[in-house]
Amino acid sequence: DIQMTQSPSSVSASVGDRVTITCRASEDLGNRLAWYQQKSGEAPKLLIHTASTLQRGVPSRFSGSGSGTDFTLTISSLQPEDFAIYYCQQANSFPLLTFGPGTKVDVK
Amino acid sequence: DVQLADSGGGLVQSGGSLRLSCTASGFTFSNYVMGWVRQAPGKGLEWVSAISGSSDNTYYADSVEGRFTISRDNSKTTLYLQMSSLRAEDTAVYYCTKYPLVRRYFDYWGQGTLVTVSS
Repeated sequence: DIQMTQSPSSVSASVGDRVTITCRASEDLGNRLAWYQQKSGEAPKLLIHTASTLQRGVPSRFSGSGSGTDFTLTISSLQPEDFAIYYCQQANSFPLLTFGPGTKVDVK
Repeated sequence: DVQLADSGGGLVQSGGSLRLSCTASGFTFSNYVMGWVRQAPGKGLEWVSAISGSSDNTYYADSVEGRFTISRDNSKTTLYLQMSSLRAEDTAVYYCTKYPLVRRYFDYWGQGTLVTVSS
């Protein structure tokens, strides 16, 4: 099975900060990686698929990059509604689509 | 708009059974793979099961293989998860999920339904 890791596990930031989250896979994924945002008490929401394609309706301050085994999610200017947990998910091995452990973005 | 409405969760004793349902709307249900993802309290996300649009193919995580059965009724645009021989470690919020045609991520999620297994 493909193993996913994320760093950091948590980050404290202020509104307006640039936040970067890293995701690493145990195998080459090409560009087959997705990112989700989960706010407290809510279902996850798809932000980015295919490593860098923004899902419809997602603000442009979110961006994704990377390929192979190393990927990055960047929030260019953190907004109050962005405090949440972010998960990466490998998309290489349907149906076993595994998630990273998550990165919590909280208030500094 | 795509909507997925999960239901059927509750409190059940260890060894018991429960059936979850997910009613879908806003898209051609039979064209898409559907699935379930769960999240134990305070933990991360775990893929559980998936089913093809025609029900020809079903898939399960090792942790639930042989105990859970996924099915769908395309005439009712409803997805099901029959859970049997439940264990304490099955306690989680269960989310109904829709795959896009490329089947490489989950583009829509239900609101989730909580299953609590008491030992």
